[in-house]
Amino acid sequence: GQQVQQSPASLVLQEGENAELQCNFSTSLNSMQWFYQRPGGSLVSLFYNPSGTKHSGRLTSTTVIKERRSSLHISSSQTTDSGTYLCALASGGSNAKLTFGKGTKLSVKS
Amino acid sequence: AQTIHQWPVAEIKAVGSPLSLGCTIKGKSSPNLYWYWQATGGTLQQLFYSITVGQVESVVQLNLSASRPKDDQFILSTEKLLLSHSGFYLCAWSLQVSNERLFFGHGTKLSVL
Repeated sequence: GQQVQQSPASLVLQEGENAELQCNFSTSLNSMQWFYQRPGGSLVSLFYNPSGTKHSGRLTSTTVIKERRSSLHISSSQTTDSGTYLCALASGGSNAKLTFGKGTKLSVKS
Repeated sequence: AQTIHQWPVAEIKAVGSPLSLGCTIKGKSSPNLYWYWQATGGTLQQLFYSITVGQVESVVQLNLSASRPKDDQFILSTEKLLLSHSGFYLCAWSLQVSNERLFFGHGTKLSVL
């Protein structure tokens, strides 16, 4: 089956520092989504990014399909960025079956 | 604006008892709907999805069933809970099943004792 590997498993930053989160996947024809999971558990969609680079405020997502990887860059981190970041692989671009990574737990300290 | 509401927010249930979790989407007709489950400290797993009323596809069953009795409603249920059903359940919707962002409810925390 599909495998989604996220790294690092956890990350501690001082406020203002940048973060680079990685997601690697085992199959080649897919699209990638990034989510932020709040401490309470609910998810917020950050990016739907099948390929290329997308920006949203301080967040940047880059997906390189042929290298089977996607990254999420957080610039100038804030304490409110703390939480868990999940990537999920959609086979053939379909949400009908998403495979999630285990997540990167980010803690930003003031 | 579209809203997604999950109920209940939390449940504490006994092993062997029945369960029904619900999800309602307002402000969007014919949404694609999804159920996910996450064991405490575990990886989020997709359970079911539905493209239209009355049609539900299983991804991972876990001795649970799902139904879509109305266009805006998605129900997750079982007649007999297991300890392994404990965890966090999330409902989500998207406009189309492919190439679309997902929007999630706030989730239901289930504790089976």
